[in-house]
Amino acid sequence: AQKITQTQPGMFVQEKEAVTLDCTYDTSDQSYGLFWYKQPSSGEMIFLIYQGSYDEQNATEGRYSLNFQKARKSANLVISASQLGDSAMYFCAMRESFFGNEKLTFGTGTRLTIIP
Amino acid sequence: GAVVSQHPSRVICKSGTSVKIECRSLDFQATTMFWYRQFPKQSLMLMATSNEGSKATYEQGVEKDKFLINHASLTLSTLTVTSAHPEDSSFYICSARDPRTSGYTGELFFGEGSRLTVL
Repeated sequence: AQKITQTQPGMFVQEKEAVTLDCTYDTSDQSYGLFWYKQPSSGEMIFLIYQGSYDEQNATEGRYSLNFQKARKSANLVISASQLGDSAMYFCAMRESFFGNEKLTFGTGTRLTIIP
Repeated sequence: GAVVSQHPSRVICKSGTSVKIECRSLDFQATTMFWYRQFPKQSLMLMATSNEGSKATYEQGVEKDKFLINHASLTLSTLTVTSAHPEDSSFYICSARDPRTSGYTGELFFGEGSRLTVL
């Protein structure tokens, strides 16, 4: 079974609009971490935001926020006021257990294209 | 944030040759580094965990003799693709965690990646 599922292979969004990228996950662990990374065409992976399984508040980092719904096992990324530079691949990832396990499992990604 | 650098960023080689890719943590010491492989338009797949001073831990299905990993110092891990073939052509990307800043989030910092093309 897929541990991380991103159901949107591609999205087109008008500049300045908000966009939500979906991510659902599957784990039996109580302790886990959820990440979003951005990968521009150049290839590097850029960390955007993190949510811990025990965090009660949704994580926010500037224009990025993570809509964490633990019971539904979803961790959607919300980008407010999208910009042309937001066009990239976006990957959701999960790390199961906090200590002694630093491996990330990635989803298949969503290609976001911002339209001027 | 912490900086992880990979070299080379692009390499083209002939089938049968070996290629070495370096991954360096520039401003922190990394006892553990991770090597990922990414096929075009696909996700990142963990290949192996590189441990300083000990053997790497390979994921299931990854050939140890094909992908040699050496982590000789706290700032350098190398991936050598031995006897490369066209099917080894891929984007290889390394990552490491900066223990000074990401102890809670466990955020991994990634290198720029290395695109290998085997002719």
